Amino acid sequence: DTAVSQTPKYLVTQMGNDKSIKCEQNLGHDTMYWYKQDSKKFLKIMFSYNNKELIINETVPNRFSPKSPDKAHLNLHINSLELGDSAVYFCASSRLAGFGELFFGEGSRLTVL
Amino acid sequence: DQQVKQNSPSLSVQEGRISILNCDYTNSMFDYFLWYKKYPAEGPTFLISISSIKDKNEDGRFTVFLNKSAKHLSLHIVPSQPGDSAVYFCAASAQNTGNQFYFGTGTSLTVIP
Repeated sequence: DTAVSQTPKYLVTQMGNDKSIKCEQNLGHDTMYWYKQDSKKFLKIMFSYNNKELIINETVPNRFSPKSPDKAHLNLHINSLELGDSAVYFCASSRLAGFGELFFGEGSRLTVL
Repeated sequence: DQQVKQNSPSLSVQEGRISILNCDYTNSMFDYFLWYKKYPAEGPTFLISISSIKDKNEDGRFTVFLNKSAKHLSLHIVPSQPGDSAVYFCAASAQNTGNQFYFGTGTSLTVIP
C-alpha cells in the first residue's frame, strides 16, 4: 500500500499547455510538500502545506499553483508550460513541518517539448 | 543560494570497505539533519537522521557524524554492499527557515562487487 502516490509518473506535453500532477498520502501526515529536481539533480522546495494551509511558497512563478482540497492531497497545477519546467517533481509528506522523516512519492517526470 | 552542499558528485568503493559521504552546510541555525537514499526512477527514502544535540547516530551499518563547529556531517556505511549503490542526499532544517528541508545535490555511490 503506497504511502505517498503521485500521478502521472511521466508527462510529455507541448509548450503553452496546462497540466496537473496529483498527490495523495495515506500516512495521516499534516504537512505535504512539492519539490522540483532539475537537470542538476538539485532537490528544491517549491511549496509546503500544513493542514491545507500554505506555509512555504518559494520563489516559484505564478504559473505554478498548488491546491490542497484536504490534508491528504496536494495537487500541482502548471499553466502555460515552458521548456524550463522540464524536471522531475516529487511530492512528499511529513508528520510535522520541517521535522521527522519526509516520505516521498516516486516522482513525476515532466518533459516540455 | 545553496545552503546544503555535497561537493562529491560520485564515489566508488569496493564491496566490504567503508563508504564515507560528506555534506557541508552554511546556516548555523540548522538543527536537524537527514540522509536520504535514492534509486533510479524512485523517490528518495529516509535513511538516518541526527539532531544537533548529538554528534553521532548509528543504525546498523549506517552512522551519521555531525561536526557543528565545522558545519559538516558525514554518512559512514560499513561494510558497503552492492545494494547500497544509489544516490545519497543530505538534508537539513531549522525552525528559523520556516521548517523546510534544504537538500544537497546528492552523491552517487557505486559499490563494486
